[in-house]
Amino acid sequence: DAKTTQPTSMDCAEGRAANLPCNHSTISGNEYVYWYRQIHSQGPQYIIHGLKNNETNEMASLIITEDRKSSTLILPHATLRDTAVYYCIVSSMFSGGYNKLIFGAGTRLAVHP
Amino acid sequence: NAGVTQTPKFQVLKTGQSMTLQCAQDMNHNSMYWYRQDPGMGLRLIYYSASEGTTDKGEVPNGYNVSRLNKREFSLRLESAAPSQTSVYFCASSLSGAGNTGELFFGEGSRLTVL
Repeated sequence: DAKTTQPTSMDCAEGRAANLPCNHSTISGNEYVYWYRQIHSQGPQYIIHGLKNNETNEMASLIITEDRKSSTLILPHATLRDTAVYYCIVSSMFSGGYNKLIFGAGTRLAVHP
Repeated sequence: NAGVTQTPKFQVLKTGQSMTLQCAQDMNHNSMYWYRQDPGMGLRLIYYSASEGTTDKGEVPNGYNVSRLNKREFSLRLESAAPSQTSVYFCASSLSGAGNTGELFFGEGSRLTVL
């Protein structure tokens, strides 16, 4: 699986958009981009994933560049509850349906008042 | 709405002791996983089970064994615990087949300290 590079930490003001970047220059054609977050010491929580196209759900938007070598997770109106470690992961979805996600160190996002 | 349930939530062991971490999911998922997370680090995959009856090694399998008891349950065993295995252990599951998005659902974690 391709590796990802994320900033170690970021800050964001409450109510503003949080834009979290991720580089995955060695991504292959069948690999998806996944984003998870981990609040304090809880289990990671799925946010969103995409292959080529931009994606949006109730939590966030995912923007993937045309060459797929980088992506950005956007939290449109960050709240204090969004303070967490955010993981960008690239992984292929195996035909058997399992998904062997390899987590890196992630980006520690601090949302402040 | 139990999701993924892990037991125990906390455990303290002495070096050389053995123990089993239990994980059960009620979402009818085919695939299950065990991860460990050391302080300040990301998660590392220990073992996974793509489907009932199969298990495979992940990134850091040494010192661990697993059993996929049935579709619901996936246990992780430490035969002879070492201080280096002090960590938080997370179990996860995912759906396969139609409707599979690759999303993993995680338990709340089991905090293990080996003295």
